[in-house]
Amino acid sequence: QVQLVQSGSELKKPGASVTVSCKAAGYSFSTYTMNWVRQAPGQGPEWIGWINTNTGNPTYARGFTGRFVFSLDTSVSTAYLQISSLKTEDSAVYYCAREGRLGDLLPYWGQGTLVTVSS
Amino acid sequence: QTVVTQEPSLTVSPGGTVTLTCASSTGAVTSGYYPNWFQQKPGQAPKALIYSATNRHSWTPARFSGSLLGGKAALTLSGVQPEDEAEYYCLLYHGGTSVFGGGTKLTVL
Repeated sequence: QVQLVQSGSELKKPGASVTVSCKAAGYSFSTYTMNWVRQAPGQGPEWIGWINTNTGNPTYARGFTGRFVFSLDTSVSTAYLQISSLKTEDSAVYYCAREGRLGDLLPYWGQGTLVTVSS
Repeated sequence: QTVVTQEPSLTVSPGGTVTLTCASSTGAVTSGYYPNWFQQKPGQAPKALIYSATNRHSWTPARFSGSLLGGKAALTLSGVQPEDEAEYYCLLYHGGTSVFGGGTKLTVL
C-alpha cells in the first residue's frame, strides 16, 4: 500500500535552514506528483506547492517562493522540502501528500514533521 | 490570490444531517475546480474523504456525500455519528495551484 514516511521533528534557530524528507513506498515514485502542505499551530492547512516527480519541475503557491525549495532523489523515492532563512512564523507541521488520479488531489499523506523555530 | 471560504463552525445532533459548503472568491465552484474534502482530528494528518466534488474514497463511509450546490461545493453528512466531530477542509484546484478553505469545525452535540 502507499506509504509516505517523513523525517523527524526539528528545532531550529531563526535564520537557519531545515530540510524535511518524505520517503515513498508502495507505488512507482515518478508516476504521481508530490505536494507539500503547512499547518501552523491551531490553523488550517496551507498548500505550499507541488513537484513533478517525473521532470523535477516545481510549482510554488504565492507566498512560498524564494525560501521554500522542493527537490527529489528518485533513486531512493524521496522528496525533500528545504526552507531557508527560517522565521518564527515558519513553526508548523509540514506534510507531504501524494496526488491520486485526475481530480483526486491529496489522497495520501505523510505523518507530518514538526518544525519549531525558536531562539 | 484565490480565497476559499467555509462556515467557521456548525453544530449537529447525533443522527442528524448537516451540510458544509465551500465557496471561491473567483466565482462559482465547478467540477473543474476538482473540489476535495478532508477530515482532520486533533493530532492527525488530514484524511481525504471526497474527490472531484462527488466521489467517495474506498475508506469513506457512505454517510458522507459531496455535491455542487448553488455555485459552491458541498459536503453532506447524513446520520451523523459522534466520531464525525472534527475539522473539515475543502481544497480547490485552480490554474495549476490548489487552495484550502479555512475549515469548518463540526460539533456533534
